[in-house]
Amino acid sequence: DVQMTQSPSSLSASVGDRVTITCQASQDISKYLNWYQQKPGEAPELLIYDASNLKTGVPSRFSGSGSGTHFIFTISSLQPEDIATYYCQQYDNLITFGQGTRLEIK
Amino acid sequence: QVQLVQSGAEVKKPGASVKLSCKASGYTFSSYTIHWVRQAPGQSLEWMGFINAANDDTRYPQKFRGRVTISSDSSASTVFMELSSLRSEDTSLYYCTRVVYGNSWGPFDHWGQGSLVTVSS
Repeated sequence: DVQMTQSPSSLSASVGDRVTITCQASQDISKYLNWYQQKPGEAPELLIYDASNLKTGVPSRFSGSGSGTHFIFTISSLQPEDIATYYCQQYDNLITFGQGTRLEIK
Repeated sequence: QVQLVQSGAEVKKPGASVKLSCKASGYTFSSYTIHWVRQAPGQSLEWMGFINAANDDTRYPQKFRGRVTISSDSSASTVFMELSSLRSEDTSLYYCTRVVYGNSWGPFDHWGQGSLVTVSS
């Protein structure tokens, strides 16, 4: 099974800050990596697919990069509505999710 | 618009089975694959398997093989997920979700509202 190691597990940042979350795959997964946002009491929402593609309608402050085993998710300027838990997910070899990153406002 | 509407909360005893439903609307049912993902309280997401509505092909992770069955009723645009031999660790919120492409694998672009399953004696 492909293991996805996501870090950090929690993060506190100020409005306007640049926020970065990383996801490391235990084997090469090419570009088959997605990022989801989950707010409390809600289902996850797709933000970035295939490592770097922004889903239509998602604000451009969200971005993703990487390939192979190392991936980065960035919020360029943190907004109050971005408070959520973020998950990476690979689908190159079955499906596995990262442990999640809980993002809080400082 | 695309909607996935799931069945309601269930309370089951250990050893019992649960069958959840996920009714799809707003798109051609047979053109997409539906996956099931669960989330235990305060935990991450865990994939449980899928059904390709075009050909009823199913796939399950090793962890759930033999205990989970995903099926569909195309006439009702509904997918079912049955989990047997329930134990307390199966207490979770269960989501159905649709792959964005017309393939079996891919990003999940639409999610149901979740069905809470509580396993307790």
